[in-house]
Amino acid sequence: DSGVTQTPKHLITATGQRVTLRCSPRSGDLSVYWYQQSLDQGLQFLIQYYNGEERAKGNILERFSAQQFPDLHSELNLSSLELGDSALYFCASSPQGLGEKLFFGSGTQLSVL
Amino acid sequence: GESVGLHLPTLSVQEGDNSIINCAYSNSASDYFIWYKQESGKGPQFIIDIRSNMDKRQGQRVTVLLNKTVKHLSLQIAATQPGDSAVYFCAEINDYKLSFGAGTTVTVRA
Repeated sequence: DSGVTQTPKHLITATGQRVTLRCSPRSGDLSVYWYQQSLDQGLQFLIQYYNGEERAKGNILERFSAQQFPDLHSELNLSSLELGDSALYFCASSPQGLGEKLFFGSGTQLSVL
Repeated sequence: GESVGLHLPTLSVQEGDNSIINCAYSNSASDYFIWYKQESGKGPQFIIDIRSNMDKRQGQRVTVLLNKTVKHLSLQIAATQPGDSAVYFCAEINDYKLSFGAGTTVTVRA
């Protein structure tokens, strides 16, 4: 168990809908990361937060947004969902977010039908 | 785009044999490298890491080798066990950003 908690484990929704994925980092970690894993794309970095502030942005679509709350948990919001958004979404955390190893949650499997 | 990649997408190994998983990276400025293991239905799990000022690091049954001259990283697993069946990713950190390669799927034959 990495100590990173993600909910829900599975999510099935329809195109055009909006969903929220939730992540609680390891105790003491200030930085949270979101990754998308598709079958043919590997692990793609979406966005990183540190202590409530956005620190780095990767290949995140404009339809997607995230935030990190004062209690350090994070949410990833996906809107206007398309079939191609079906993927595993992982959250990871690290102490300072400055090039340390990341600890990953078990992921949320999103299926857009 | 991706700056880290693996030589082979799949590796089949006999139980008890040693496994070697290779990874090439393109950014010579990267100073920290990590190997992750991802089992089916789970998130990536940290295995071992190495900094650019080292060329070898050993863990429990695993060894990571770094050759900066040719920008090559490898993960050696000794006495491979069925529980080692997974996808293995190398990752590099450059400018605080962690980038993953495409992964190698290791299958252990009984």
